[in-house]
Amino acid sequence: EDQVTQSPEALRLQEGESSSLNCSYTVSGLRGLFWYRQDPGKGPEFLFTLYSAGEEKEKERLKATLTKKESFLHITAPKPEDSATYLCAVQAAGSARQLTFGSGTQLTVLP
Amino acid sequence: GAVVSQHPSWVICKSGTSVKIECRSLDFQATTMFWYRQFPKQSLMLMATSNEGSKATYEQGVEKDKFLINHASLTLSTLTVTSAHPEDSSFYICSARGRLAGGTYNEQFFGPGTRLTVL
Repeated sequence: EDQVTQSPEALRLQEGESSSLNCSYTVSGLRGLFWYRQDPGKGPEFLFTLYSAGEEKEKERLKATLTKKESFLHITAPKPEDSATYLCAVQAAGSARQLTFGSGTQLTVLP
Repeated sequence: GAVVSQHPSWVICKSGTSVKIECRSLDFQATTMFWYRQFPKQSLMLMATSNEGSKATYEQGVEKDKFLINHASLTLSTLTVTSAHPEDSSFYICSARGRLAGGTYNEQFFGPGTRLTVL
């Protein structure tokens, strides 16, 4: 059974204080790993897709990296508007290609 | 980017009534659509997967007669909660996957969600 574990559950940072969120996964053949941002009362917003170990992607203050067992979402010099819940999901190779989500990391950036 | 819309964004209904939620992909053709349910402080739980023109595949524990899904076209899917009860109150989110210009086929884009409250 595919499993995704995100840590920490919650993270409070001061504005400008860089940090990383972790997503550990076990999957029978990784097709893709996805990062989403979710604001309260809204649907998840797509951030990145990573397909193979060693791959990195960047968007503004966010950088996602991938190894064979985990992914990191690095946040550099965060701002209060980066506050949100960050969700990680994996897609296993197979006909269904559904996403299995982690429980998310709730990030709060204080001004 | 890919845009997925949902309507309504919130709905309040009386127990026993049926509620229909629409999900549309606005700028791409969604060959596959997904319906999720999310409880407060929890992650998304997949309810069902539907491909255009075929019956939806429901996850274990999801009653297909209660949650009717129709994927009528490549841009529209509907979820009907029949005979809704207070325990059906939740945040329902749809998602769509399809081929985007310049992109792969794997990205899954989410709608803004519908808050259902059953009194």
